[in-house]
Amino acid sequence: AQSVTQPDIHITVSEGASLELRCNYSYGATPYLFWYVQSPGQGLQLLLKYFSGDTLVQGIKGFEAEFKRSQSSFNLRKPSVHWSDAAEYFCAVGAGGATNKLIFGTGTLLAVQP
Amino acid sequence: DVKVTQSSRYLVKRTGEKVFLECVQDMDHENMFWYRQDPGLGLRLIYFSYDVKMKEKGDIPEGYSVSREKKERFSLILESASTNQTSMYLCASSGTTEKLFFGSGTQLSVL
Repeated sequence: AQSVTQPDIHITVSEGASLELRCNYSYGATPYLFWYVQSPGQGLQLLLKYFSGDTLVQGIKGFEAEFKRSQSSFNLRKPSVHWSDAAEYFCAVGAGGATNKLIFGTGTLLAVQP
Repeated sequence: DVKVTQSSRYLVKRTGEKVFLECVQDMDHENMFWYRQDPGLGLRLIYFSYDVKMKEKGDIPEGYSVSREKKERFSLILESASTNQTSMYLCASSGTTEKLFFGSGTQLSVL
């Protein structure tokens, strides 16, 4: 069965420090992978997605993620975190196609210290 | 920009009440989804619809039903609300790409 694991429930980083949020997936075929961000009181916004091709994908707000098939991982990174990046981050996996049904991880809550 | 609008931001209902959560999207998207979000559990898919009058169960459909009479509107129905249905409910839509567009959510409290 499809599943997504985000092992870190809560992460705190200092402003300006680098960030890596972990995501591992279980999927039988080539997955479609996504990272979404949810700011307080808001819905989810797509940061980036991977379907095929280059395994390093760039997203909005300076985020990037790397697909590693051998490790079943799709970790999200940012070289320098800003206070406005404080939010909850969700990794998701899907089959793509017409219905776009996604399975989400449990989320990682990011706090940014000044 | 795509807009997905959920009719209520906060809703308080009593146990046993029938509850309707409404969602409207303005981009002529074929697919619409209802998720619930609970701390530590992430988002779990309740139901989705890929066309008018078409629906499929997600991972946690028990206690819920849905209605899609028009393409732009997807309603989630709690036939008899229970306290364990207290949650944040998120509606989403998507078109021909895999990108989901989310509403701001409805925080439902069942007392």
